[in-house]
Amino acid sequence: GENVEQHPSTLSVQEGDSAVIKCTYSDSASNYFPWYKQELGKGPQLIIDIRSNVGEKKDQRIAVTLNKTAKHFSLHITETQPEDSAVYFCAALRNSGYALNFGKGTSLLVTP
Amino acid sequence: GAVVSQHPSRVICKSGTSVKIECRSLDFQATTMFWYRQFPKQSLMLMATSNEGSKATYEQGVEKDKFLINHASLTLSTLTVTSAHPEDSSFYICSARRAGGGGTDTQYFGPGTRLTVL
Repeated sequence: GENVEQHPSTLSVQEGDSAVIKCTYSDSASNYFPWYKQELGKGPQLIIDIRSNVGEKKDQRIAVTLNKTAKHFSLHITETQPEDSAVYFCAALRNSGYALNFGKGTSLLVTP
Repeated sequence: GAVVSQHPSRVICKSGTSVKIECRSLDFQATTMFWYRQFPKQSLMLMATSNEGSKATYEQGVEKDKFLINHASLTLSTLTVTSAHPEDSSFYICSARRAGGGGTDTQYFGPGTRLTVL
């Protein structure tokens, strides 16, 4: 079936360091890969997304890379700040019906 | 960005009662909305896909008679948890699909509804 694997499940970095979260997907027909940030008790917030026609996208301190051949994509956060601490979810669009398959999440802790 | 609201943000009810949760897209029309359930420290589990003007599509294992979904307009979908029991206590989150041109759809999430069934 379709699934998304996400690693690591927890990540602790010092303020100013970079953080990288990796995901792999199984459905080769997936063509849209969003990343969401979820703070405690809140709904997920879209932070960046990438479509299959590009290999990399950047928005200030956040970047996402996509390797369609290997079926994996990664989130890169540079110059991390304590307010980046949250749970991050990757997702891949299903090949029908517009629903997303989510990874299990990465709990990121940025320590001052 | 697009805004999706949910109401109520939290609800406490007695076992056996029904609870309705509303999901609204405030600044765009959403032909498709999704309902998720999330248990503590877990990922989002898709319950159903809600299509405006037609019946919802439920994921395997989700009881359609227990979780009633109505998507009567392009900006509103409702989830009704019927005859709620303590095991239905969870964080319910909706998302709305914002259609873009050339296959640039994007999904935005609501803030979630914390349901506690006593």
